[in-house]
Amino acid sequence: SQQGEEDPQALSIQEGENATMNCSYKTSINNLQWYRQNSGRGLVHLILIRSNEREKHSGRLRVTLDTSKKSSSLLITASRAADTASYFCATPPLGSARQLTFGSGTQLTVLP
Amino acid sequence: NAGVTQTPKFQVLKTGQSMTLQCAQDMNHEYMSWYRQDPGMGLRLIHYSVGAGITDQGEVPNGYNVSRSTTEDFPLRLLSAAPSQTSVYFCASSYVGLVTFGSGTRLTVV
Repeated sequence: SQQGEEDPQALSIQEGENATMNCSYKTSINNLQWYRQNSGRGLVHLILIRSNEREKHSGRLRVTLDTSKKSSSLLITASRAADTASYFCATPPLGSARQLTFGSGTQLTVLP
Repeated sequence: NAGVTQTPKFQVLKTGQSMTLQCAQDMNHEYMSWYRQDPGMGLRLIHYSVGAGITDQGEVPNGYNVSRSTTEDFPLRLLSAAPSQTSVYFCASSYVGLVTFGSGTRLTVV
């Protein structure tokens, strides 16, 4: 069974707009991570947020974490065509800091 | 610094054939893992290793074997390929929770 589930499954926006995608998970976690996958390529780590953090920024990325709701969101501001990719959240369950469980991803398309 | 290197990038097998997918990392990471990704889905863990000589099963281990004789290498063996194993395979290594992925092997079993 999948620990993390992203929502929406697909998102299409215009360049310059903000993109928000959400992730829900089932069990308690130490941290939650977001990855990007360009078509036909491997996954690239974007950002990690720890369970005691509520918000984290990295460039145009903003991640929030609500452990009471077991949910996280990834906001990409001022999107670019190059942001077109699939985005996955991943969580290592407690007691297994490096064994990640991935959701099925959000396919983001940024139209020029 | 090459990171995680997977070979081959593409492979076509006939049903029943066996093969080994190679994975090597040069970051001295203790933890390595293999995932498969099917169309429209996330990654599912096949096998993982927490160090040389130690391996364990993930979510979908059937039909695959692994070994870890060195820190650097973590090969994945398909014993008797089946069409259901057509997928993209990713090797990964990690340290303190940050995972580095290889670029993947696209395997087709006909």
